Amino acid sequence: DGGITQSPKYLFRKEGQNVTLSCEQNLNHDAMYWYRQDPGQGLRLIYYSQIVNDFQKGDIAEGYSVSREKKESFPLTVTSAQKNPTAFYLCASSDYRGTRNTEAFFGQGTRLTVV
Amino acid sequence: AQSVTQLDSHVSVSEGTPVLLRCNYSSSYSPSLFWYVQHPNKGLQLLLKYTSAATLVKGINGFEAEFKKSETSFHLTKPSAHMSDAAEYFCVVSTHLSGGYNKLIFGAGTRLAVHP
Repeated sequence: DGGITQSPKYLFRKEGQNVTLSCEQNLNHDAMYWYRQDPGQGLRLIYYSQIVNDFQKGDIAEGYSVSREKKESFPLTVTSAQKNPTAFYLCASSDYRGTRNTEAFFGQGTRLTVV
Repeated sequence: AQSVTQLDSHVSVSEGTPVLLRCNYSSSYSPSLFWYVQHPNKGLQLLLKYTSAATLVKGINGFEAEFKKSETSFHLTKPSAHMSDAAEYFCVVSTHLSGGYNKLIFGAGTRLAVHP
């Protein structure tokens, strides 16, 4: 089945640690996105990428880093510089065609908790 | 700048009664609008989208939404609620980023509760 796979589903991080969230898609989509979801705040864009080896900061990129070495993969690293990392993280992809009509497809999310 | 406001953070209905989730948008040009649904600890699923082809848009699971430019609204409705409709619903507007990317701007969400 085509889709987006995020792993792990649950992740626990100790203070001062970096952790990496995985996102893989087999939809052959060009664009990929990372969102953070906090209760009552909707989704906020962290990073986005259109093509391999290219990515751009979103609205809340501080404390996060990404890479796009393969079209299918867009991992997100939550660094120790992110002061409040506990949240639900969602990866998405879309078939970039230069229009605003293209919807995004979402993975099932990773819940990150600082312990 | 594009933005979206969901007017109710929580809506509670009885099973079999109509559902109305309200959304107002702000856009400097003709918008693309979406409704997504999220069940607990799950990803988001597209319910429907408006792309200027028709003002009344039908989606999955019996949901529909009407685009009203004069009211800058895109309310989501369903004639008869089912227990499985209990979830969080997001109204979304799409805008362009630099380089032609699509950016989805999310409302804060409306949590729908359905009671027997």
